Amino acid sequence: KAGVTQTPRYLIKTRGQQVTLSCSPISGHRSVSWYQQTPGQGLQFLFEYFSETQRNKGNFPGRFSGRQFSNSRSEMNVSTLELGDSALYLCASSVAEISYNEQFFGPGTRLTVL
Amino acid sequence: AQKVTQAQTEISVVEKEDVTLDCVYETRDTTYYLFWYKQPPSGELVFLIRRNSFDEQNEISGRYSWNFQKSTSSFNFTITASQVVDSAVYFCALRKNYGQNFVFGPGTRLSVLP
Repeated sequence: KAGVTQTPRYLIKTRGQQVTLSCSPISGHRSVSWYQQTPGQGLQFLFEYFSETQRNKGNFPGRFSGRQFSNSRSEMNVSTLELGDSALYLCASSVAEISYNEQFFGPGTRLTVL
Repeated sequence: AQKVTQAQTEISVVEKEDVTLDCVYETRDTTYYLFWYKQPPSGELVFLIRRNSFDEQNEISGRYSWNFQKSTSSFNFTITASQVVDSAVYFCALRKNYGQNFVFGPGTRLSVLP
């Protein structure tokens, strides 16, 4: 069974631009979560989607948004990029809501904002 | 508010030594879930174990063992006879019941030297 895939793996953008990251969960998984990882702030939860509905959102500004499609694939969008948005963005999928279920993580998308 | 503390920023051991990674958490909830994840140099987070707040049974799985003590709000992880392949960053995480954010600790970087 294929794992969680994220595209692109690496991305370089400039301040003020916007970016869309994509995540394809493991087949049969309906929950997708996004995380931001930076050296300064560590791993921080962004959102959780289940059956196309956002179930939970972390403490991030409105510039960060996401969505989930009927096939469970998910995208996250960051508008008006800032230097501080440079990070590794990780996507994780699980069979159901992530309270207790094991999450499987993708390799991440490394975003660099210049 | 929830918080996860991993006081050990970096640990270095020589191969075959035992090593314990500490995790202390804070929560006011009676129902919550605790997790350990491993992040090898490749970047993908790998799920290791989860525990719910009502299950204080400690577990041994191969070279890994976990010690969950609610009385001290600790969820420590021990690797017996460490190997070079165990070198990674280890994260402890806490989640309240359904619909709540995941909170990760800052991580402990473990280096196992040959």
